[in-house]
Amino acid sequence: KQEVTQIPAALSVPEGENLVLNCSFTDSAIYNLQWFRQDPGKGLTSLLLIQSSQREQTSGRLNASLDKSSGRSTLYIAASQPGDSATYLCAVRPGTGFQKLVFGTGTRLLVSP
Amino acid sequence: ETGVTQSPTHLIKTRGQQVTLRCSSQSGHNTVSWYQQALGQGPQFIFQYYREEENGRGNFPPRFSGLQFPNYSSELNVNALELDDSALYLCASSLRENYGYTFGSGTRLTVV
Repeated sequence: KQEVTQIPAALSVPEGENLVLNCSFTDSAIYNLQWFRQDPGKGLTSLLLIQSSQREQTSGRLNASLDKSSGRSTLYIAASQPGDSATYLCAVRPGTGFQKLVFGTGTRLLVSP
Repeated sequence: ETGVTQSPTHLIKTRGQQVTLRCSSQSGHNTVSWYQQALGQGPQFIFQYYREEENGRGNFPPRFSGLQFPNYSSELNVNALELDDSALYLCASSLRENYGYTFGSGTRLTVV
């Protein structure tokens, strides 16, 4: 059974810092991995999608890496801003069985001015 | 290109009642999934529909049921509501295996 863990559960940083969010998964047989952002009480906004054959994806100040063999992904946020404050969720699509996403419990990020 | 839209945004129901949540998939997406997100938790997979057929189900009882229509919109029905059903219900659509999922804004269900 695929399990996804995100560390840390919460993170508080001053504006301008570079930071790394971690995601680990127990079964390396994945189809892809997706990072989402969730504002309080809201839906999920897709940030980056990494296919199993890829090592990283970049979008603006965000960079996500994938090491499938070790079951790890990181989300790097450069020059953090107060507007980055949200919960960040990592989800993997297992490589077998029907399509679904298995989520971690998220990292709650607070960026202070 | 329209995104995924869900209705209603908020709902309050009494224990034992039935509820129907609705979702319009992103244009062209033929796969729709439903997730339940309890407070402070990651979303949990309920079930998925592909071309109007259920093709995957998570660990949820049969009182959770769904439909997908020819225009790929979808409904989630929950019968005999329990207090623990209080959660954010998220709908997501996708086009193909190597595409990511697009999520709606969710329906906040409160059971009292």
